[in-house]
Amino acid sequence: ILNVEQSPQSLHVQEGDSTNFTCSFPSSNFYALHWYRWETAKSPEALFVMTLNGDEKKKGRISATLNTKEGYSYLYIKGSQPEDSATYLCASNRDDKIIFGKGTRLHILP
Amino acid sequence: DGGITQSPKYLFRKEGQNVTLSCEQNLNHDAMYWYRQDPGQGLRLIYYSQIVNDFQKGDIAEGYSVSREKKESFPLTVTSAQKNPTAFYLCASRLLSGANVLTFGAGSRLTVL
Repeated sequence: ILNVEQSPQSLHVQEGDSTNFTCSFPSSNFYALHWYRWETAKSPEALFVMTLNGDEKKKGRISATLNTKEGYSYLYIKGSQPEDSATYLCASNRDDKIIFGKGTRLHILP
Repeated sequence: DGGITQSPKYLFRKEGQNVTLSCEQNLNHDAMYWYRQDPGQGLRLIYYSQIVNDFQKGDIAEGYSVSREKKESFPLTVTSAQKNPTAFYLCASRLLSGANVLTFGAGSRLTVL
């Protein structure tokens, strides 16, 4: 994998349901993996940064896992709420660069 | 309050003109970054700087220039050589010690008429 890839590109989830999405990144020269939430008309806000294989981070209903050997990270949202509607970006920090994926656009349906 | 200030928020430019986007931070962050966002695209890295008087090209540096004369400031010039300059530009900064996240400015939207 040469680029940071995120899937799916867009996701519609019923309020109250749980969901997850994927970030794939180059495993060579890996240093850290970032997750950000970007709400409309706001700046991206950091959720997590992870560095170690097997890392798991949690912030309220949102959690993330990291597999540096195979080059992927999952973001989980438990019990989706309307305020979770946003674009979720992951970024790979390698060779002093921070490179972003295209994001997953999450829509929470009432 | 500490943060990153980008200006202007909106900018219109005629073809053939250079424009400079300002980015100032008072977070005492070491590194600063410029990203560009287009519809359907993620954030693409234009330039980044880890220390004063030094900067590196990102993935789409052609048609752009930067300077880092002060730790707090990292202005981006969009030159007339940039083929498709209309976009949303985000500036970010972070500490370099350890794995630290980016703090973003509010962005500047450039439209070429």
